[in-house]
Order: sequence, then C-alpha cells, then structure tokens
Amino acid sequence: DGGITQSPKYLFRKEGQNVTLSCEQNLNHDAMYWYRQDPGQGLRLIYYSQIVNDFQKGDIAEGYSVSREKKESFPLTVTSAQKNPTAFYLCASSMFPNTGELFFGEGSRLTVL
Amino acid sequence: AQSVSQHNHHVILSEAASLELGCNYSYGGTVNLFWYVQYPGQHLQLLLKYFSGDPLVKGIKGFEAEFIKSKFSFNLRKPSVQWSDTAEYFCAVGGGADGLTFGKGTHLIIQP
Repeated sequence: DGGITQSPKYLFRKEGQNVTLSCEQNLNHDAMYWYRQDPGQGLRLIYYSQIVNDFQKGDIAEGYSVSREKKESFPLTVTSAQKNPTAFYLCASSMFPNTGELFFGEGSRLTVL
Repeated sequence: AQSVSQHNHHVILSEAASLELGCNYSYGGTVNLFWYVQYPGQHLQLLLKYFSGDPLVKGIKGFEAEFIKSKFSFNLRKPSVQWSDTAEYFCAVGGGADGLTFGKGTHLIIQP
C-alpha cells in the first residue's frame, strides 16, 4: 500500500530528553512536511523539505530539528529546547511542483511527563 | 502572510440537517483552497479542493464548497448530514512550496 507511515503512534518522554519521530513515505513524493496539531489551534507548520538534503523552517520551528537524507524519509527531533512539546504531530507529503494537496500520515502523539 | 479563519469551532446538528461551515482566507497569490476532514481515530484526508474553473466544487461523501472570490470565502456545505459525518473539518489555503496554511478547525458532532 502506498502511503505515509509515522512511528511511534504514542510516545512518552521525560522533560529534558530529546525524542525523534519517524516519517517514511513510499509515494515517491518530493516534498515532505511536519505539522503540529493542538486542540483549537489547527495545524501549524514546523518544517518542510522540497528536495533531499534541503529543508526550511516553518512557522514554529524553534525547539525542533529535521533531516532529509533520503527522499522517502523525513524524521523530526523534538529537542529539550521545545517549551511545550506535548502535542499531536503530523507528517505529510506532496508532489512537486506543489499543487498544495497534501497526503497525511496517521500522526504521532507525544506526551511529556 | 496567508491566513485562514473558520468561524465555527464547534457545531452540533441533528441527522438530516443541512450543514454550512464558514471559511475565509487572506492570500496574496493564486489561490488553491482545500477542505480536509479528520474522522475520529483516522488520519487527515482530503474532502475537496479548488484550483480554478467552476467555483462550485464537489467532493467526497456528498460535500460541496463554493469559492466566492469577492468575499474571500470557501464555505463547505452538505444538504443532509449523517451521524458518520461527525469529525473535525479543516479549511486550508496554499499552493506554494511551503505547504498549506490551515484554519483552526471545526469540530462537528451529529446527533442521531
């Protein structure tokens, strides 16, 4: 099945720890995105990448980092510098040139204890 | 900067009622408009999209939306809702390299 796989689905971490969320796609899409979803706030863009080895900050990049070493993979690291990391994280991809239509994974829910 | 405003954060309807969810946007470039739906426990999926042409767009599951350029609006409609339409609905605008800008969402509850 073609799609986007995010793991883990649920993750707990202690304050001060970094954690990495995985996102893999087999849609052969060039562009990949990370969004954060909070109740009542919609989706906010963290980072995006149009091509391998290149990525750009979104609206709320502080406290996060990404890498894009392979076309199909776009992991997100939530660092200890992120002040409010408990959230639902969504990975998405799209074809390039970008028409805007995004395909989403099922999300990863991070809870900081 | 682009922005999207969804007027209703929570909507409760009875089955068979008509639905209209408001969406207004501000965007300086060519507009691509979207409605996404997130059913409980499922991933976000595309409901419908507008790129150009006929401003009345039909999507899946009987939903439609009308693009009114003069009002910067892209309201979502369905003539008769079902219990299975209970979900969160997001309006989004975009078309550039930086993905989509989403509204804050509308949580729709359909009572049987």
